[in-house]
Amino acid sequence: QKEVEQDPGPLSVPEGAIVSLNCTYSNSAFQYFMWYRQYSRKGPELLMYTYSSGNKEDGRFTAQVDKSSKYISLFIRDSQPSDSATYLCAMTLAGTYKYIFGTGTRLKVLA
Amino acid sequence: KAGVTQTPRYLIKTRGQQVTLSCSPISGHRSVSWYQQTPGQGLQFLFEYFSETQRNKGNFPGRFSGRQFSNSRSEMNVSTLELGDSALYLCASSSDWGETQYFGPGTRLLVL
Repeated sequence: QKEVEQDPGPLSVPEGAIVSLNCTYSNSAFQYFMWYRQYSRKGPELLMYTYSSGNKEDGRFTAQVDKSSKYISLFIRDSQPSDSATYLCAMTLAGTYKYIFGTGTRLKVLA
Repeated sequence: KAGVTQTPRYLIKTRGQQVTLSCSPISGHRSVSWYQQTPGQGLQFLFEYFSETQRNKGNFPGRFSGRQFSNSRSEMNVSTLELGDSALYLCASSSDWGETQYFGPGTRLLVL
């Protein structure tokens, strides 16, 4: 079993829809949680960074962490065609000096 | 501030050869991590360096090695290339572990 599980998609939604992307993990010791966006033929770019349970909002993006369920989510409001990309979750714990990534969910927002 | 740069961007090699990839981190960043990205496995951690010291290594064979120089630039080397080494190799830098990682565009390696 992988430490981090993420549905690969593709997930297709109409423009303006609310998108929900999710990851589950098995290591309850993970402390820091991140969401990255990766466009085709580019490196990932950080969208959200959280280190506690609860919600964190940044513009159209909301990251949610539920440590009791070992489940994290990224919500995208008013989705745009420019949001079409692969979204990767990542997590880590102090002192390990490495991040564990999900395999990514490919999102397509249709105009 | 310039971003993370990786050279070369594309490489074609044949089985049995070796390859060296280079990463220049953002100015002031001392932590450099390397990842292998493939469609089936996603992003797999290779190793992390901080101030020329390797602090952690992923589950890759010894053919994969790396180093970091005093100016924080890093190189990774893959010896005796195999077909399965074809992947996008990504480098990420941060001021230290736990701080925001910034990724480079990657080096796409094709092994024939």
